[in-house]
Amino acid sequence: DVKVTQSSRYLVKRTGEKVFLECVQDMDHENMFWYRQDPGLGLRLIYFSYDVKMKEKGDIPEGYSVSREKKERFSLILESASTNQTSMYLCASSPPLGLNYNEQFFGPGTRLTVL
Amino acid sequence: KNEVEQSPQNLTAQEGEFITINCSYSVGISALHWLQQHPGGGIVSLFMLSSGKKKHGRLIATINIQEKHSSLHITASHPRDSAVYICAVSIIQGAQKLVFGQGTRLTINP
Repeated sequence: DVKVTQSSRYLVKRTGEKVFLECVQDMDHENMFWYRQDPGLGLRLIYFSYDVKMKEKGDIPEGYSVSREKKERFSLILESASTNQTSMYLCASSPPLGLNYNEQFFGPGTRLTVL
Repeated sequence: KNEVEQSPQNLTAQEGEFITINCSYSVGISALHWLQQHPGGGIVSLFMLSSGKKKHGRLIATINIQEKHSSLHITASHPRDSAVYICAVSIIQGAQKLVFGQGTRLTINP
């Protein structure tokens, strides 16, 4: 069965802290994504990666960075957490492009609160 | 204006009612996805379609490419159908990414 896991379901951090959110998939997928989800705004893409050590900015990359050293793991880093980064963070993965579209598989989400 | 618009944003109905959630998009797409998110966060894919109609149990998804519109129907709705339903599209350029609607929060009362 397809599996995407995230390191924490709930996380509370203080302003200015460096925060790491980890995502692991066991499906050997090339593509991995980080989203944040906020009420009224839906899911917004922060960064995605289509291969190891490759990354592309999404729609809202400011304040975030990512790391993909291994195919199965995609990390989201908040260099200096701020209160406006309080949100639900969702990771997803997908296989290589086939037939011009593909399904994404989502992790359970991490609800991050920055105090 | 968002590239993917859903309506309604919130929907409350009684158990057994027929439910329709609508999705309109303004970009060229290669596929449209319907996703379900239960309280707690996890998102699962319900349908992925590029034409016509798909059915899975009590759920039916349709798409009209010419009108750039899709609907998700739930027949004989049940309280366990209560969730947020999200429409997303794979755009023709950059098809690895999805563009999401804002979601429809559905509540089915017993």
